Amino acid sequence: DSGVTQTPKHLITATGQRVTLRCSPRSGDLSVYWYQQSLDQGLQFLIQYYNGEERAKGNILERFSAQQFPDLHSELNLSSLELGDSALYFCASSVGPRQGTDTQYFGPGTRLTVL
Amino acid sequence: AQTVTQSQPEMSVQEAETVTLSCTYDTSESDYYLFWYKQPPSRQMILVIRQEAYKQQNATENRFSVNFQKAAKSFSLKISDSQLGDAAMYFCAYGGGATNKLIFGTGTLLAVQP
Repeated sequence: DSGVTQTPKHLITATGQRVTLRCSPRSGDLSVYWYQQSLDQGLQFLIQYYNGEERAKGNILERFSAQQFPDLHSELNLSSLELGDSALYFCASSVGPRQGTDTQYFGPGTRLTVL
Repeated sequence: AQTVTQSQPEMSVQEAETVTLSCTYDTSESDYYLFWYKQPPSRQMILVIRQEAYKQQNATENRFSVNFQKAAKSFSLKISDSQLGDAAMYFCAYGGGATNKLIFGTGTLLAVQP
């Protein structure tokens, strides 16, 4: 158990809908990262927050947004969902702000299925 | 740009034997870290081992060890005394100090035969 929690574990929804994925980092970690893992595209970095502020952006679509709250939990909002958004969404956390060098600990993931 | 290459999409090992997974990377940075993550069928991403580029000593974690060849830009993972629970997808990752990015390879699927 990494100490990172994600809810829900599974989510099934329809095209065009909007969903929210939630992540709580490990105790003491200030950074939260969101990743998307599709079958054919590997692990793609979406966005990083550090202590409430956006720190780095990756391949995040405009239909997706995220935020980190004062208690450090984070939410990833996915809207106008398409079939291609079906994937495993991971949250990870680290102590510091350095994405490249601070060890990231991953949550169990949320499996999103868009029908 | 930094790249990470795992040239073995799949590998197989007999239980109790040793297996080595390959990873090469390309970078012009001097400050970076390298990681191996394991993703078993449960899909949880689990940190296996981490290596700081400035350290010459190879990192070890129980049955897992790395062979870090900085000049060759190679970072292989050796699993000794393989167990059935080692069956998983293994991802090599490069973490840049200056670029501040974590870049994953495409993974190697390891099967452990009883």
